[in-house]
Amino acid sequence: QVQLVQSGAEVKKPGASVKVSCKASGYTFTSYYMHWVRQAPGQGLEWMGIINPSGGSTSYAQKFQGRVTMTRDTSTSTVYMELSSLRSEDTAVYYCARGSIVGATLDAFDIWGQGTMVTVSS
Amino acid sequence: EIVLTQSPGTLSLSPGERATLSCRASQSVSSSYLAWYQQKPGQAPRLLIYGASSRATGIPDRFSGSGSGTDFTLTISRLEPEDFAVYYCQQYGSSPSTFGQGTKLEIK
Repeated sequence: QVQLVQSGAEVKKPGASVKVSCKASGYTFTSYYMHWVRQAPGQGLEWMGIINPSGGSTSYAQKFQGRVTMTRDTSTSTVYMELSSLRSEDTAVYYCARGSIVGATLDAFDIWGQGTMVTVSS
Repeated sequence: EIVLTQSPGTLSLSPGERATLSCRASQSVSSSYLAWYQQKPGQAPRLLIYGASSRATGIPDRFSGSGSGTDFTLTISRLEPEDFAVYYCQQYGSSPSTFGQGTKLEIK
């Protein structure tokens, strides 16, 4: 079945970086854009950016420009999200989510990973 | 960026009742690129509605979406016990995609 499986929880110190992985299965990895969304404890959802698994092009929310890098490895059908210069406000659950339409950038998200909790604490 | 405002913040209803959730955008959402998600505690969001009114795969027909421009509505015709959760709207017609702050649907 179609699924996204993310890496496990992380605890990081302020100023460090974290890299979260999201492994896709059950569909053609390069056909659907992948998004990253985060959710701080008890808060709403925040879109971080998008990656084209085919060519690797990316677009990031302005808030995260300069701190986030999204990459992919087509050989393992995995996308990655790296966030640097971590601060306490980055404590959140990070989700990867697949766009629902082949080749579309403006898209709803039909498949979600299970989420990765990232805790930033000294 | 487009700001989405959901109302009410919390909705208290009983199973079998009808639920109406609202999502208002700060500017027109192009091509009705508006989605609704359901999220239960400890789970990832689940896509319910896309394109303002199209049900996602496997979503029961008691869920329906309507609206255009700046005003959108999610209606649950007869609440089932499993429907009590938090609901988010999302616009994906312009970048950055944005979400509303959520409506918590709780059992009365």
